[in-house]
Amino acid sequence: AQSVTQLDSHVSVSEGTPVLLRCNYSSSYSPSLFWYVQHPNKGLQLLLKYTSAATLVKGINGFEAEFKKSETSFHLTKPSAHMSDAAEYFCVVSGISGNTPLVFGKGTRLSVIA
Amino acid sequence: DTAVSQTPKYLVTQMGNDKSIKCEQNLGHDTMYWYKQDSKKFLKIMFSYNNKELIINETVPNRFSPKSPDKAHLNLHINSLELGDSAVYFCASSQVAGANYGYTFGSGTRLTVV
Repeated sequence: AQSVTQLDSHVSVSEGTPVLLRCNYSSSYSPSLFWYVQHPNKGLQLLLKYTSAATLVKGINGFEAEFKKSETSFHLTKPSAHMSDAAEYFCVVSGISGNTPLVFGKGTRLSVIA
Repeated sequence: DTAVSQTPKYLVTQMGNDKSIKCEQNLGHDTMYWYKQDSKKFLKIMFSYNNKELIINETVPNRFSPKSPDKAHLNLHINSLELGDSAVYFCASSQVAGANYGYTFGSGTRLTVV
């Protein structure tokens, strides 16, 4: 079965410094991978997705992620953190078929310190 | 124009009551989902409907009953509410029953059972 592991439950960075949120996946096929963001008391917003095209994927708000098959990783990065980036981030893997749902990681809470 | 809208946003009710949460999407998507997010932010699939047909029914107490009157609506009815049902419930939709497209989420319904 497919799964994702978010390696850090909480990451804290200073404003203006780089962000790295780590995600490893497990899948017996070529998956699609996503990052979603959830701001406090809000719904989930799609940041970016990888669907077997370019391995470096650019998303909204300056975020990007790189798919590395050899490392089974899909880490999320941003060169310079902004206060508004403080939120919960979820790494997500697709199901094996159309009838199997997305599987969410447990989330990483990003704090940004002024 | 909200793409996926859920009502109500907040729901506080007593144990033993029956309540419903409504979800509507105006994206023309074929597939809709219900996810439950627990107090630790973990998201778990509950149900999925494709064109009004149930395609995913995870291990959920049969007190939970989804209903899809048409492909734009997926409602969730909960009977005999228990304290453990307190959570945030998210509705989502996708273009087809293929997770490669990613999901569009509603803003959530925070259910508190007292």
